[in-house]
Amino acid sequence: AQSVTQLDSQVPVFEEAPVELRCNYSSSVSVYLFWYVQYPNQGLQLLLKYLSGSTLVKGINGFEAEFNKSQTSFHLRKPSVHISDTAEYFCAVMGTGGFKTIFGAGTRLFVKA
Amino acid sequence: DAGVIQSPRHEVTEMGQEVTLRCKPISGHNSLFWYRQTMMRGLELLIYFNNNVPIDDSGMPEDRFSAKMPNASFSTLKIQPSEPRDSAVYFCASSLLNSYEQYFGPGTRLTVT
Repeated sequence: AQSVTQLDSQVPVFEEAPVELRCNYSSSVSVYLFWYVQYPNQGLQLLLKYLSGSTLVKGINGFEAEFNKSQTSFHLRKPSVHISDTAEYFCAVMGTGGFKTIFGAGTRLFVKA
Repeated sequence: DAGVIQSPRHEVTEMGQEVTLRCKPISGHNSLFWYRQTMMRGLELLIYFNNNVPIDDSGMPEDRFSAKMPNASFSTLKIQPSEPRDSAVYFCASSLLNSYEQYFGPGTRLTVT
């Protein structure tokens, strides 16, 4: 079984500042890792995913994440945020043998002018 | 391309009534997922189908909930009888079997009074 912990429920940040949203996971098997974003009153959409290969993954809207197997982490970063990045961000994990995706509780990113 | 389509977008019903939520996945996708999102419990996977066959329904909360996928382009989630604690946003998502990326619909906001 897998589990996901998003360490911050809310992250306020000023526009153009860097941001890191933290995610740790636990699993007894190899995993695939994902970050999804949810804007108000919308469904989730995929930001980026790690399946294999390079541990630094680049996604849409200037976001990137780094897979750290030893620390079982998959933190999401952006060097300079915009007001439009205000949304809820979900880290998710899937065991490589199945299709069941486990989502974290979400981190609400609030970008202030 | 049309994304995942869900109907209705909003549903308000009285306790004890039957509720049916509908989903049309992206054409060509062969996996379909039903999720429930609440403030208290976050995003929970209720059930998922591969090639119209239910694979894992361990997340279905109780016998009042049932889901069907009669063909590749349509799925329903039924709650009978509904209760106030079923109030939530219900999402449908679809994916290609080996792509691991899920595409979410806009959700159905259910309120049971």
